[in-house]
Amino acid sequence: EIVMTQSPATLSVSPGDRATLSCRASQSVTSDLAWYQQKPGQSPRLLIYDASTRATGIPARFSGSGFGTEFTLTISSLQSEDLAVYYCQQYDVWPTFGEGTKVEIK
Amino acid sequence: QVQLVQSGAEVKKPGASVKVSCKASGYTFTTYYIHWLRQAPGQGLEWVGVINPGLGSTSYAPSIEGRVSLTRDTSTTTVYMELSGLRSDDTAIYFCARVAAPGSALLQYDHWGQGTLVIVSS
Repeated sequence: EIVMTQSPATLSVSPGDRATLSCRASQSVTSDLAWYQQKPGQSPRLLIYDASTRATGIPARFSGSGFGTEFTLTISSLQSEDLAVYYCQQYDVWPTFGEGTKVEIK
Repeated sequence: QVQLVQSGAEVKKPGASVKVSCKASGYTFTTYYIHWLRQAPGQGLEWVGVINPGLGSTSYAPSIEGRVSLTRDTSTTTVYMELSGLRSDDTAIYFCARVAAPGSALLQYDHWGQGTLVIVSS
């Protein structure tokens, strides 16, 4: 099983500031990495796939980068509606998820 | 538009079984793999298993294999997850999710069901 580790567990960011979320894989997943946003009481929503491709309808302030074992999700200018938990997921082998990063509005 | 609509919440006793449905619409049912995942209260996401709706072939997470069964009914475009020998740590929201590209078993998930809460309690 590939273990995905996210950091930090909680991130407090002021509106308009940049948020940087990290995800590390226990072994290389090449670019088989997705990011999801989950708001309270909702299903996860796909943001990024193939490490850096934005999904349909996702605002340009969301961007992804990385390859192999180290990945980053960046929210360039945080909006109040971005309050959520963000999960990374590898699909190189049978899927595993990180524990999530909770983004709070400062 | 693509929709995955799941059945309603369930409350079961330890040792019982539960069967959750996921009705798909808005696309060709047999060409996209469907995965099941679960999320315990306040926790992250755990993969349960996957089904090829065209062939009916399945694969399951080792941690739950032997207690879970995924099936499908192509006439009603519905996928089912049955979990037996329920334990308190099976209490979770169960999601079905569609893989983003036809014919691919492993990719990102582009559409999710609304989730089904299963509570296991005596």
